[in-house]
Amino acid sequence: GQSLEQPSEVTAVEGAIVQINCTYQTSGFYGLSWYQQHDGGAPTFLSYNGLDGLEETGRFSSFLSRSDSYGYLLLQELQMKDSASYFCAVRDGTNAGKSTFGDGTTLTVKP
Amino acid sequence: ETGVTQSPTHLIKTRGQQVTLRCSSQSGHNTVSWYQQALGQGPQFIFQYYREEENGRGNFPPRFSGLQFPNYSSELNVNALELDDSALYLCASSTPDLPYEQYFGPGTRLTVT
Repeated sequence: GQSLEQPSEVTAVEGAIVQINCTYQTSGFYGLSWYQQHDGGAPTFLSYNGLDGLEETGRFSSFLSRSDSYGYLLLQELQMKDSASYFCAVRDGTNAGKSTFGDGTTLTVKP
Repeated sequence: ETGVTQSPTHLIKTRGQQVTLRCSSQSGHNTVSWYQQALGQGPQFIFQYYREEENGRGNFPPRFSGLQFPNYSSELNVNALELDDSALYLCASSTPDLPYEQYFGPGTRLTVT
């Protein structure tokens, strides 16, 4: 089976940098994805890491270490609109098509 | 490019009833996944459809069933509704080339009383 752990809440101020960690246990691994979800909205794809290392997309970066079963999402130059829930997700290597999501990290950005 | 759409937006049903939720995938996407999201939790995978066939299923009972149509739109059917089925139901579309990049619809909020 699959399980993911991420912190439930993170608070930061505008302009700061915040890192949201995700550790996972999987029976097969096909990469780690990150999604953002605002209250009442749909999850939006942010980033994907299939191999070790850092992927950068604008203010957001994501990192993966497969040997440590660990990844993180880094948000720089925080803005108020970044207040949302962030989910890490893995694809199941033994159940085609299945993705398992963490329970999400609620990020609150304060002025 | 048309995004993922879902209908209805909200639905109230009584325990024991049946419900059908609908999803139209993003243009060019032939894979549709359905998720259940309870308040304060991450989306839980129900099943995925690819080329009208089920392609993976999560830990949901058989009363959760689905269909995909030739135009890649999809339905989620839930029979014998239970109170615990109250949740946000999300559908997401993707392509086989980028299976990890899912595009979600706005969801259907189902309330079972």
